[in-house]
Amino acid sequence: DIQMTQSPSSVSASVGDRVTITCRASQGISSWLVWYQQKPGKAPQLLIYAASSLQGGVPSRFSGSGSGTDFTLTISSLQPEDFATYYCQQTYSFPLTFGGGTKVEIK
Amino acid sequence: EVQLLESGGGLIPPGGSLRLSCAASGFTFNSYGISWVRQAPGKGLEWVSSISGDGGITHYTDSVKGRFTISRDNSKNTVYLQMNSLRAEDTAVYHCTRRKASGQPFDYWGQGTLVIVSS
Repeated sequence: DIQMTQSPSSVSASVGDRVTITCRASQGISSWLVWYQQKPGKAPQLLIYAASSLQGGVPSRFSGSGSGTDFTLTISSLQPEDFATYYCQQTYSFPLTFGGGTKVEIK
Repeated sequence: EVQLLESGGGLIPPGGSLRLSCAASGFTFNSYGISWVRQAPGKGLEWVSSISGDGGITHYTDSVKGRFTISRDNSKNTVYLQMNSLRAEDTAVYHCTRRKASGQPFDYWGQGTLVIVSS
């Protein structure tokens, strides 16, 4: 099974800050990496797929990069609605696996 | 509008059985694989099971193999998750999701149905 490790597990930031979340796969997954955002009591929402492709309707302040084993989600200027938990997921092979999540909190 | 609506959750004692349903609308149902992803209270996301658009291919996470069965009825635009021999660790919100093809992301999610396994 491919293990997905996210860091940090939580981050405190202010509106306007640049936030970077990393995700590492235990083996190479090419660009088969997805990022989701989840707010409390809600279903996850797709942000980025194929490591760097922005899902339609997602603000351009979100960006993704990486390939192989190391990936990054960047929020260029944090907005109030971005305070949430972010998950990475590999779609390279079954079992599909998620990272443990990164909670972005208000500083 | 794409919609995925889960139902069938509830409180069930350990060892019991439950069948979850995921009713889909707003898209060509048999063109999409459907998966179940669960989230235990206060925990992260865990993929549980997937089924291909024609129902011919299924996958399960190890912890549910032999206990859970995923199926679909394309005439009813519905996917089912039959859960047997339930354990306390199966307690979670169960979301159904769709994806177009292997490797693709889960682009729509249902709001989920809560399963509580407790005596």
